[in-house]
Amino acid sequence: QQPVQSPQAVILREGEDAVINCSSSKALYSVHWYRQKHGEAPVFLMILLKGGEQKGHDKISASFNEKKQQSSLYLTASQLSYSGTYFCGTEIGSNTGKLIFGQGTTLQVKP
Amino acid sequence: DAGVIQSPRHEVTEMGQEVTLRCKPISGHNSLFWYRQTMMRGLELLIYFNNNVPIDDSGMPEDRFSAKMPNASFSTLKIQPSEPRDSAVYFCASSLALRTGGEAFFGQGTRLTVV
Repeated sequence: QQPVQSPQAVILREGEDAVINCSSSKALYSVHWYRQKHGEAPVFLMILLKGGEQKGHDKISASFNEKKQQSSLYLTASQLSYSGTYFCGTEIGSNTGKLIFGQGTTLQVKP
Repeated sequence: DAGVIQSPRHEVTEMGQEVTLRCKPISGHNSLFWYRQTMMRGLELLIYFNNNVPIDDSGMPEDRFSAKMPNASFSTLKIQPSEPRDSAVYFCASSLALRTGGEAFFGQGTRLTVV
């Protein structure tokens, strides 16, 4: 049931773009994205509730393809503060709230 | 609100001892999760409560692990007896799940070391 994230790790220079993918073998009800800095708790970025929904704030956005059971997180013009591990969390059943996370993608942004 | 509060922040115990981790969720939230994080396994969902009732405990590793939520403002995760392989960071998270799950707020975690 655990979603699969790719790539496992990314190294970027400041200003470069990155895409993190999340896919599931089960039909998805919603997708959550979180970022975790080293030694800290995961912090919520956004939820996508409907197939085809896209969201974003600042230069981080995400899309949700319900048919393909996939979501992608887009980081544009990356900043040093974007470094961390990104997790997608998926809800498989409706009205359950049960949230299962992928294994994470480590993003390192260098000056 | 102070957010999700976990205690203790760090726990070092000897193999075979009982360990109790505590969590106070955000007031008004109706869902509570216990996760375990290790380098090898990532963020594993151990158990999930909705309105204080355990809904899914399929992630609990074995009978040594138990969790309770006696009321809406308190939950415990107990390991008895503890083993070195239980060493990990344990996170508690809460959310307001209505038609669908809401944003999950994580506590700062308890770093457990079993020696």
